[in-house]
Order: sequence, then structure tokens, then C-alpha cells
Amino acid sequence: SQTIHQWPATLVQPVGSPLSLECTVEGTSNPNLYWYRQAAGRGLQLLFYSVGIGQISSEVPQNLSASRPQDRQFILSSKKLLLSDSGFYLCAWRAPLAGGPQADTQYFGPGTRLTVL
Amino acid sequence: RKEVEQDPGPFNVPEGATVAFNCTYSNSASQSFFWYRQDCRKEPKLLMSVYSSGNEDGRFTAQLNRASQYISLLIRDSKLSDSATYLCVVNALAGGGNKLTFGTGTQLKVEL
Repeated sequence: SQTIHQWPATLVQPVGSPLSLECTVEGTSNPNLYWYRQAAGRGLQLLFYSVGIGQISSEVPQNLSASRPQDRQFILSSKKLLLSDSGFYLCAWRAPLAGGPQADTQYFGPGTRLTVL
Repeated sequence: RKEVEQDPGPFNVPEGATVAFNCTYSNSASQSFFWYRQDCRKEPKLLMSVYSSGNEDGRFTAQLNRASQYISLLIRDSKLSDSATYLCVVNALAGGGNKLTFGTGTQLKVEL
């Protein structure tokens, strides 16, 4: 069965510091991978998605970046954190199949709760 | 207009009650629809997909009305453990990656 891991679970960082969040998926090959942010009391905002190694699409202009160095690894980074980067960061995966509700379903990791002070 | 719109609630209901949530979406080309459940400070988890003919999973029934661009979730015989935020989710057909758009959620509190 497939599992998705994220670490760290929680993180407190000062403004201006760098960030690296990691997500790995097991039990599937060539998944679509996604990074979301959920700010307090708000909905999920898609930040990046990837359909393959080295392929990254950015949804929202920001000071974050993403990379996919391996098939089942997705990394979210920042060179200098802002206060507004605080939030709950969620990684999700989806099977690389075309069409239909089963294929479109996304499965989330446990998330990283980031506080920027 | 928001792509996916939900009443934020909270809906406070007694145990055993029946409760219904509604959701509207703006993209008439959307093909896949879901309800996810999110517990406090946890990740969203798939509750059920929503099919054109409507579908049922135990105490949960989902309906889709494409003409009105409207999705509903009915929970019968509410349990305390049903307390959570319910997210309406629609796929966004734009380029690759098959993205999903999430509503901001409807909060349900089931009380004794």
C-alpha cells in the first residue's frame, strides 16, 4: 500500500531564515506530487505541483520554491522566510492515471506546521 | 465568485441528527467531485467521491447536480466522531497535473 511521509512535523523559524521541508511517497511510481499551504482559518492553497522528476509548476508567486530530485521525493524550500509564510504545509500525491474520480483523488501527508517569528 | 463555495458553519447538531452540507462550484467543465474530512490540526482525508448518479457509503450520501453546479453531503444518525470540517473538492481542468480546488470547509460539531 502507498504511504506518504512529511518532516518535520512542526517547525519554528525566525524571519529571514531558510526553510526545507521534505515529502516522500512509498508504494507507487511516478506519482503526481503537490504542495499546499493552509493558513489559520483558511482553505488549502496549491503552491506547486509536479508530474515528474525535475518538473515543477508554480501556482502562486511567492518566495518559496520546490524541487523534485527523485521520483518519490518532493522538497519545499525558501531562502528567507517571511512572517506570512506561517501555516500548515501539506504534501499530497496522486496516481499518474488519466481521468475519472479514482485517478483524480489526492492523498495527503500528515503535514508540517510552520511558525515564523 | 469563488471557485468552490461552502457555508463555513459551524453546524451544531445533537447526536443522532441528520445534517446536510451544500457546496457550489463555478467551473462547469469540472469532472471529478469529492468530499474530504479534516480533523482539527490534521491532514484532509478522503471521505467519498461524488458520482453523477449520487452515491451512498453507510450513513453518508453524496449528490451532484451538474445543471446547478451543486454538490451535497448528507450525514444520517450523526456520531460524536463525525465532528470535523468537511471540505468540498472539485477538479480543475487546466493543463497538466489535474489539480483539485478545495472549498474552505464546513465545520460540524456533534453534541451529546
